Amino acid sequence: EVQLLESGGDLVQPGGSLRLSCAASGFTFSTYGMSWVRQAPGKGLEWVSGIRGSGGSGDRTFYADSVKGRFTVSRDHSKTTLFLQMNSLRAEDTAIYYCTKDVASTLTAIDYWGQGTLVTVSS
Amino acid sequence: DIQMTQSPSSLSASVGDRVTITCRTSQSISTYLNWYQHKPGKAPKLLIYGASSLQSGVPSRFSGSGSGTDFTLTISSLQPEDFATYYCQQSYTTPRFGGGTKVEIK
Repeated sequence: EVQLLESGGDLVQPGGSLRLSCAASGFTFSTYGMSWVRQAPGKGLEWVSGIRGSGGSGDRTFYADSVKGRFTVSRDHSKTTLFLQMNSLRAEDTAIYYCTKDVASTLTAIDYWGQGTLVTVSS
Repeated sequence: DIQMTQSPSSLSASVGDRVTITCRTSQSISTYLNWYQHKPGKAPKLLIYGASSLQSGVPSRFSGSGSGTDFTLTISSLQPEDFATYYCQQSYTTPRFGGGTKVEIK
């Protein structure tokens, strides 16, 4: 059974940093693309960042314009864990952040989602 | 960047109705278009991938069509459990979601 368990969400001041983690199990982690998707309060889904799996230009990373230069996605294959390092946080980054698994090594479509972790950026 | 225009943003429908949601992209994306269903408090669910392929386990009343810049999600006969928000997503370039369509009970 595929499981994605996010952690690291917290209340942080504007300009601060936070690191989200996603412990993955139940599938061959290295093979699949992984992404972070967020949903701000009362808003729709926003794709944030993703990383390809092996066979799909492995570990190549991609970012939404809204976070480019501030967020960094990475993965630890030995610990089957996905990370999102978030720097220079802004109020508009406040959202539930979901860890997601792709159907393939590239960022094609999302077939599994975690339950999400809440990030609140406020003074 | 590829822009996504999903319409309508909301609709009211009755059980048994045929419902159609459209998604338009600012440039051609071939068939790199997916549809998701999202209910409050739950993780989103993949319904359709590659514009028209039904994800395993999804009821056949859901169907997708289109290619290039214009795409459609159709629910042939709306069921009580289908009231939710629906999102399109393109994966031709850096992924992006449409704005969503909230399907409410009439």
